[in-house]
Amino acid sequence: AQTVTQSQPEMSVQEAETVTLSCTYDTSENNYYLFWYKQPPSRQMILVIRQEAYKQQNATENRFSVNFQKAAKSFSLKISDSQLGDTAMYFCAFTSGAGSYQLTFGKGTKLSVIP
Amino acid sequence: SQTIHQWPATLVQPVGSPLSLECTVEGTSNPNLYWYRQAAGRGLQLLFYSVGIGQISSEVPQNLSASRPQDRQFILSSKKLLLSDSGFYLCARDGSSYEQYFGPGTRLTVT
Repeated sequence: AQTVTQSQPEMSVQEAETVTLSCTYDTSENNYYLFWYKQPPSRQMILVIRQEAYKQQNATENRFSVNFQKAAKSFSLKISDSQLGDTAMYFCAFTSGAGSYQLTFGKGTKLSVIP
Repeated sequence: SQTIHQWPATLVQPVGSPLSLECTVEGTSNPNLYWYRQAAGRGLQLLFYSVGIGQISSEVPQNLSASRPQDRQFILSSKKLLLSDSGFYLCARDGSSYEQYFGPGTRLTVT
């Protein structure tokens, strides 16, 4: 069974600074998909960024980028120029793709952006 | 646009009462639909998924059930609520690259 581990329950960052959230996963699959979701206080789950395991290039979405290390089974999220609106829970998620209907989530990291 | 609606937004129910949470999806046909539960301070747990009308798969044995009476309607039910059923319930649909998109959620408190 796949597992997703987020080892940082809480983190804080000064506004305009950069922060990196960690995620590791365990799978025997060779191809799979990884995601970061943001859950602000409203509790709406918002897709931040996605990475396909067969793509070596790290995904980037504006201020959000990932560091995908397939051999190490690591998938960290970097937030640049942190903004107050980035304050939220961040969840790492995994799916093996075709034939699987389940997203496996980590327990989340609570990020606070300090003005 | 593809929008997911959930209602009610908030619900307080006594132990032993029935439950019905509704999820509807706009702007897409034959989506895969999902029900998740998020307990306080924890990640998401998949409860049910559906690949079509009348097709329900359960991931976790419990006193909850799901139904899909229409292509874009997904319902979560219980005949008798337990205290442990309290939580935040999220409906989701699949995207084009194995991602999932979530509705606004229902906060259920069982008293």
